[in-house]
Amino acid sequence: DTEVTQTPKHLVMGMTNKKSLKCEQHMGHRAMYWYKQKAKKPPELMFVYSYEKLSINESVPSRFSPECPNSSLLNLHLHALQPEDSALYLCASSQTGNPYSNQPQHFGDGTRLSIL
Amino acid sequence: ILNVEQSPQSLHVQEGDSTNFTCSFPSSNFYALHWYRWETAKSPEALFVMTLNGDEKKKGRISATLNTKEGYSYLYIKGSQPEDSATYLCASISDSWGKLQFGAGTQVVVTP
Repeated sequence: DTEVTQTPKHLVMGMTNKKSLKCEQHMGHRAMYWYKQKAKKPPELMFVYSYEKLSINESVPSRFSPECPNSSLLNLHLHALQPEDSALYLCASSQTGNPYSNQPQHFGDGTRLSIL
Repeated sequence: ILNVEQSPQSLHVQEGDSTNFTCSFPSSNFYALHWYRWETAKSPEALFVMTLNGDEKKKGRISATLNTKEGYSYLYIKGSQPEDSATYLCASISDSWGKLQFGAGTQVVVTP
């Protein structure tokens, strides 16, 4: 069982829809991440929240809007997506975002998103 | 090297055989190297986080080495079992923001 829970597992939406992806962890981790992964490609970092504040936005289009309501929850709000946004979206968490540490990231199972 | 590269892309191993594969990463501004195992329909699972040149880590039949000066890491699987079938991802941190840069993975298939 994964300690990072993502919902929904699958999502099909039209280009005009608004939907949200949800990620939850109860390990007391203070850094949370969103990644996008296309088939046969490496996961690509989208956003990083550190202590509930957005610390990294990897030039992600504004149709993706992250939100971190508290230290356990991370949302990704979706609006007016394009077919090329179809991908697996992974959430992860770590104790802190300290690059000098030896903390692994803990991943959820991902949300498989399809844009019609 | 500017990106993280893994080779081979895939490999087939007979049960009981040992195998190894490579992760190459930028050697400048190195902070850490991560290895993850990703089974189909599951979440990536952390295997190792390595930070020091010459580091060697072991978890059961799986071990990893790290050379930060030349920018590579090897992952070894000893006596492969069918449950070792997975994609093995490596990722390096080479900036002060702590961003993980992933390779595309090595898909390992162990056949009985």
